[in-house]
Amino acid sequence: DQQVKQNSPSLSVQEGRISILNCDYTNSMFDYFLWYKKYPAEGPTFLISISSIKDKNEDGRFTVFLNKSAKHLSLHIVPSQPGDSAVYFCAASGRSGGSQGNLIFGKGTKLSVKP
Amino acid sequence: EPEVTQTPSHQVTQMGQEVILRCVPISNHLYFYWYRQILGQKVEFLVSFYNNEISEKSEIFDDQFSVERPDGSNFTLKIRSTKLEDSAMYFCASSAETQPQHFGDGTRLSIL
Repeated sequence: DQQVKQNSPSLSVQEGRISILNCDYTNSMFDYFLWYKKYPAEGPTFLISISSIKDKNEDGRFTVFLNKSAKHLSLHIVPSQPGDSAVYFCAASGRSGGSQGNLIFGKGTKLSVKP
Repeated sequence: EPEVTQTPSHQVTQMGQEVILRCVPISNHLYFYWYRQILGQKVEFLVSFYNNEISEKSEIFDDQFSVERPDGSNFTLKIRSTKLEDSAMYFCASSAETQPQHFGDGTRLSIL
C-alpha cells in the first residue's frame, strides 16, 4: 500500500545546478505535504511544507510545487550545494490544522551533489 | 535551536525482554509521536499523543506497545515483550499547533 511514492531512489546533480525531487500520492484526502531531509545517523529534518490550497511555496533555495490534479509534488533546490547531499523524504497528511497526525512517508530519494 | 532528544542512541535487548525508549520533546510542543523505520523500509507511524492520551495509533501499535508522559518533559515508548521484528530505528517527534513535526535522531533497537 504505497500511498506516497518516490520513484527515484537516487539523483545526482552538479553543484550550482537545480535538483528536482519528485513525489506522487494516491490518496486525494491528503491536504498537507512536507519534505524532510535526512543525514546518516540523524533524524529527519523538516525542510518545507505546502497546504493543498496552494500550488507553490518557496523558502530560500527550496521551492515545493503541488499539482493536485496530477497528485504530484516536487521539491526544487537551486542552486544545489554539496551540503544538500542527503536522503529526501516526501510526507503527506490528511489534515493541516492542529496536529498533522499520521504522516505517510515515501521511501526517500538519495540526492548527491557533486562539487 | 530547540530539538527533540532521544535516549539511548542504541539499545540491544534479548527477545522477550521489555524495553523503554525515551524522548524529550521540544518544550512548548503539545503533540507527540512515535515512528519507526525498519532497515530498508519506509518511516512508519506508530502513535500520536495529545492532552495525556493517545489520539491516533496504527495497526503496528498493538497491545505490546504503550506510551506515557510520566512528567512534564519526557515521552516514553514501552515494548512489553520484544520480538525480533521489533528491530528498527525508532523516532520520536513533536509539534506545536499547526506546525510541522520535528524529529529526534532516533534510537536504534536491536533485538537478539
